[in-house]
Amino acid sequence: QKEVEQDPGPLSVPEGAIVSLNCTYSNSAFQYFMWYRQYSRKGPELLMYTYSSGNKEDGRFTAQVDKSSKYISLFIRDSQPSDSATYLCALDTGRRALTFGSGTRLQVQP
Amino acid sequence: SAVISQKPSRDICQRGTSLTIQCQVDSQVTMMFWYRQQPGQSLTLIATANQGSEATYESGFVIDKFPISRPNLTFSTLTVSNMSPEDSSIYLCSAGGQNYGYTFGSGTRLTVV
Repeated sequence: QKEVEQDPGPLSVPEGAIVSLNCTYSNSAFQYFMWYRQYSRKGPELLMYTYSSGNKEDGRFTAQVDKSSKYISLFIRDSQPSDSATYLCALDTGRRALTFGSGTRLQVQP
Repeated sequence: SAVISQKPSRDICQRGTSLTIQCQVDSQVTMMFWYRQQPGQSLTLIATANQGSEATYESGFVIDKFPISRPNLTFSTLTVSNMSPEDSSIYLCSAGGQNYGYTFGSGTRLTVV
């Protein structure tokens, strides 16, 4: 069993839709939770970072962490074609070395 | 957050040779890391580049194959040694400080023929 599971997609939605991206994990030592966005042929770009259960909002993005269920989510409101990318969850125990999910490919149709 | 310049951006190499990838950060950073991203897959940590001491390698990665240097707080190199086609991958440098907000370079796309 992988430490971090993420649905690879692809996920295709119409412009303006609310997108929900999810990861589950098995290692309760993970304390820090991040979401990265990766465009084709580019390095990952940090979108959100949180270290506690609950919600964190930044513009159209909301990160949600449920440590009791070992489940993290990223919601994108009013999705745009420019949001089309691969989204990666990344978790850390505190070592500062990230364990990544496999990534979900998102396509937002105009 | 830090800005990372990574080079080369891509290379095609003969098997049995070595390639050194450079990572330059625009500010001093505490932590630097090297990741590998195989085609269509996610990122796997190779090692943590420690300033002034040997790198710390993850399980499955060894210093003889992936020697790493970190001579100062803004620069690191990763060498892929004695390459085989299985080493064809994207290699990424990451850097950051005590707070999260780790930045990645744009990667080096390596093809071994």
